[in-house]
Formats: sequence, structure tokens, C-alpha cells
Amino acid sequence: AQSVTQLGSHVSVSEGALVLLRCNYSSSVPPYLFWYVQYPNQGLQLLLKYTTGATLVKGINGFEAEFKKSETSFHLTKPSAHMSDAAEYFCAVRFSGGSNYKLTFGKGTLLTVNP
Amino acid sequence: NAGVTQTPKFRILKIGQSMTLQCTQDMNHNYMYWYRQDPGMGLKLIYYSVGAGITDKGEVPNGYNVSRSTTEDFPLRLELAAPSQTSVYFCASSEGQGAAYGYTFGSGTRLTVV
Repeated sequence: AQSVTQLGSHVSVSEGALVLLRCNYSSSVPPYLFWYVQYPNQGLQLLLKYTTGATLVKGINGFEAEFKKSETSFHLTKPSAHMSDAAEYFCAVRFSGGSNYKLTFGKGTLLTVNP
Repeated sequence: NAGVTQTPKFRILKIGQSMTLQCTQDMNHNYMYWYRQDPGMGLKLIYYSVGAGITDKGEVPNGYNVSRSTTEDFPLRLELAAPSQTSVYFCASSEGQGAAYGYTFGSGTRLTVV
């Protein structure tokens, strides 16, 4: 079955440290990939997406993600964490074929940033 | 540009009551979705619609109903509310089919069933 896995439900980093949030998917056909961010008591906001072309994708707020087909991964990174990055992050996948306009979400990773 | 608007933002229901969660979008998107979000579980698709008059079930449709009489509106109906329906509900819309479109989300409705 097609699925999305986010490794680590909670990641804690110090301000200024590297942020790495992991996402893997299960599919033999490269899908479209998304990262969303959710701040407390708000809806989800699109951070970045991969469709085709360049595998390193840059998004808002200094985040970027790299699509690695061989590893079926789409990990989210930011070189230097800021206090304002504290939020929950969701990886989402639009699998190819069938009802391919629906997104499947991972369970989310809560990022805390320590001063 | 309002995007996706959900009302109400908060609601407390008693077991067995019913209610409608409203969702409207002003982007002329054909595709609309209802998700519920539970702690540590991510988002689960309840129902979706590919256009006015067309709806279909998602992963967790039991206890819910939807309608889509216009492009703009996609209300979610809860009949006979149960504690298991305590959750945060998000409506979303997207443009296009089979293309690399993300979703635009509403700000959510936090529902508690007591």
C-alpha cells in the first residue's frame, strides 16, 4: 500500500542548529511531494513542493528539501534554526495513478527550538 | 482574497446532536476536501469532491455526510455526534487534476463532543 512515513514525531534543536526532518514514501512511481507547516491553532501552510525537474527544492523561510528517488525520501532541512520555526511539519504525497489529486499525509513531526 | 473560510472555529456538541461545518472558497477550485486531524495521527481524509454535484468517500467517512451544490461551498454534516468525532477538522481546496497542485487549507474547526 502507498504510505508516507515521517521518522520522529518530535525533534528538538537548539537555535542556530541544523534542522533535519525526515520523510519517506512507499511507491514504485515517483510521486509529487510536499511539505506543510502548521503553527499552533492555525491551518496548514505550504512550505515547498517537488513535481519534476531539479531534485533540490527551495521553499519559504529558508527551508529546502531534496528528492532522492533511490531512497524514496524527501527530507526537509534548514541550515540554522530560528525560534519562529517551532511548529508541526507534515510531509504529504500525491501518488501517481488512480485518484491522483488526493494528498496522503504523514503523521507529522513537532519541531521545538531551544534558545 | 479570502481563500478557504471555515466556520465555526470552535464548537462543543453533546452526544447525539448534529451540526454542519461550513467551508467556502473563493478561488474557483473544483477540488475540495475534508480532513480530520487527531494528535499524533496526521490528517485523515473524510470526504472529497471533484466538482459541484460530485462527492466521494475518503478514508474515514463513517458518521459524516457532505454535499456540493456549488463550486464554492462544501459543508460537512455530522449526524448523531459521538465522542470519537472530537477532532480538528480542516477543509481544503486545490486546482486542477493530475497535476502538481498543493492544497489551500482553511484555519480549521475545533470540535469537542461531550
